Order: sequence, then structure tokens, then C-alpha cells
Amino acid sequence: QSALTQPASVSGSPGQSIAISCTGTSSDVGGYNYVSWYQQHPGKAPKLMIYDVSNRPSGVSNRFSGSKSGNTASLTISGLQAEDEADYYCSSYTSSSTVVFGGGTKLTVL
Amino acid sequence: EVQLVESGGGLVQPGGSLKLSCAASGFTFSGSAMHWVRQASGKGLEWVGRIRGKANNYATAYAASVRGRFTISRDDSKNTAYLQMNSLKTEDTAVYYCARVVPTAIGWFDPWGQGTLVTVSS
Repeated sequence: QSALTQPASVSGSPGQSIAISCTGTSSDVGGYNYVSWYQQHPGKAPKLMIYDVSNRPSGVSNRFSGSKSGNTASLTISGLQAEDEADYYCSSYTSSSTVVFGGGTKLTVL
Repeated sequence: EVQLVESGGGLVQPGGSLKLSCAASGFTFSGSAMHWVRQASGKGLEWVGRIRGKANNYATAYAASVRGRFTISRDDSKNTAYLQMNSLKTEDTAVYYCARVVPTAIGWFDPWGQGTLVTVSS
């Protein structure tokens, strides 16, 4: 199972919006609405930000949103804040009943 | 509070074995699937494997990179999941996280443990 494809880095200024893409195949992202997104700050464990493509867990800011079209999912962060600077990972359930992650995207808030 | 705490990491020689534990609290452990995910230093997340709950016959699945070397098990009476790692290679060096998937969910992890570092080196 190959890793999902994410851009290595994205950046934005405070208050702006950014989007991170996550491209897979019809055997993972495109085949199921089971895409999730995680935020990871340095030295910390990942934190769930979005599940089932577009659902936010309780306590996660509504500045975070998710969507999917075909084999590509996206995480959008609006109203960028300094604390959003972190690594972001997408993941998807697969046709093999396993899970595959993206390579990760480093978000820099300028 | 829902919590996962890993333990058992350390330094091991190539070819050696190590068993990690993941102690759970604050939720009904027996109903949840438990997954292991690893992260090499400066690298991304890699799914290692999972074990489902009793209702799903404790079914296991593994990533190709560890299949045949790693075994996941659980003891619901102790609210603990395990990752037995055999024939370790230097490329298995990573922080190992355990994570929960609730019974109603598919493929999303919440929460994660704090991780335990495994170093495979001579």
C-alpha cells in the first residue's frame, strides 16, 4: 500500500486560508468516506482534527474543515493562527482493511 | 479521561525482540480496536497494524513491512494491548504510538498515546 500524496510544505500569513491536499487511489481515498486528518506539533503525539472526510471532533476549532473529490481529499484551515503551525497528516481506510497515511505537510505561519 | 500509555521501548540489537505495552483507561477497552503507528525521527507516520475487539474475533492486520515479524495482541482483563516485535531491523527504529478506534468508527484514531521510543542498533 503506497503512502497518500501530500505537499511537503505549505505556508500562509495570519488570518489567511490555506488548503492541504491528500491524493490516493480508488482503493483508499476515492473508495471510502473514511479520510481523517491529524495535527502534530514537534515532540507531541498526533491529534485528530477531521474524521470521515469532513467531521470535526468536539473541541476542534471550526476554522478546520475537510472535503473530498474523487481520489483527493483536502484540509482547509481558515483564519490562520500562529498555533496552527505544525505538521499535518491525512489517512484513509483501505480496501485491504488497513490504514494508510500521507507523507505529511509542514504548515508554516509566516 | 480517555488515556493511552505506552511502555516497553528501549535499545535492542538487530535481530532482537521487544514487547511494547499500551495501557488504556477511561473507556470500554474491550469494544475498541487498537492500532499501532510508528514514526521514525524526522519522518512521517506509518501504520503498523491493528487488533479488533472480541465482537470481531480479535482480528489482526499488519503493514507489509512488519508482517511475519510483529504480532499484536490484547488482554481485555488488563485493558492493555501489546506489540511483540521480533527479528528487529535498524529501520524499525521509531517512536511507536498506540491509538484507539471506537466501535462506531472506521479508520480514525482518537486518542493517541504519548509514544515510546524503540532504537534498533548494535
